[in-house]
Amino acid sequence: EAGVVQSPRYKIIEKKQPVAFWCNPISGHNTLYWYLQNLGQGPELLIRYENEEAVDDSQLPKDRFSAERLKGVDSTLKIQPAELGDSAVYLCASSSGSGGNNEQFFGPGTRLTVL
Amino acid sequence: AQRVTQPEKLLSVFKGAPVELKCNYSYSGSPELFWYVQYSRQRLQLLLRHISRESIKGFTADLNKGETSFHLKKPFAQEEDSAMYYCALSKTSYDKVIFGPGTSLSVIP
Repeated sequence: EAGVVQSPRYKIIEKKQPVAFWCNPISGHNTLYWYLQNLGQGPELLIRYENEEAVDDSQLPKDRFSAERLKGVDSTLKIQPAELGDSAVYLCASSSGSGGNNEQFFGPGTRLTVL
Repeated sequence: AQRVTQPEKLLSVFKGAPVELKCNYSYSGSPELFWYVQYSRQRLQLLLRHISRESIKGFTADLNKGETSFHLKKPFAQEEDSAMYYCALSKTSYDKVIFGPGTSLSVIP
């Protein structure tokens, strides 16, 4: 099994440009997470989905960030416009959520560099 | 608000020596606690969780509610233990997980 799939793996853009990240969770996992990880820090939750519903987006900067999970499977995270401070690794994770099991399985991440 | 702290950014030990990675948390209730690990060029993955009370790869972690700590321990470090370790907390099984800043463990041959 491939596990959580993310693309692209690396992205370099100029500031003020838009960028989008894609995530395909493990089959059958209802819960999907997007995290931001800055250098030298732990992952910080941006948004959590239960199926297609965003149940926690309190940490998502909604002025420039948006996310969607149509049909409750794949998800896309978008930044428009990107700023220099958005340079970081964006991680996607999924969990089954069944029986209260919240073990998260992480993707490889997308490393974003904003010039 | 819940918070996880890991006081050591870097920790170096010799192969065969005991290792302890410290983790403290702030939360007034009874949280679920985890240790996640990221080996070089690999994905972040769960190492162990306190409710399962398992020993994984020789590592154990004991929840000390009095000291609000969840330190990770291994009696004899191996070179393959070199990795980034993150302590994490969740209020319940259905809540979000909050990660600490991580400790980079280096095991010297």
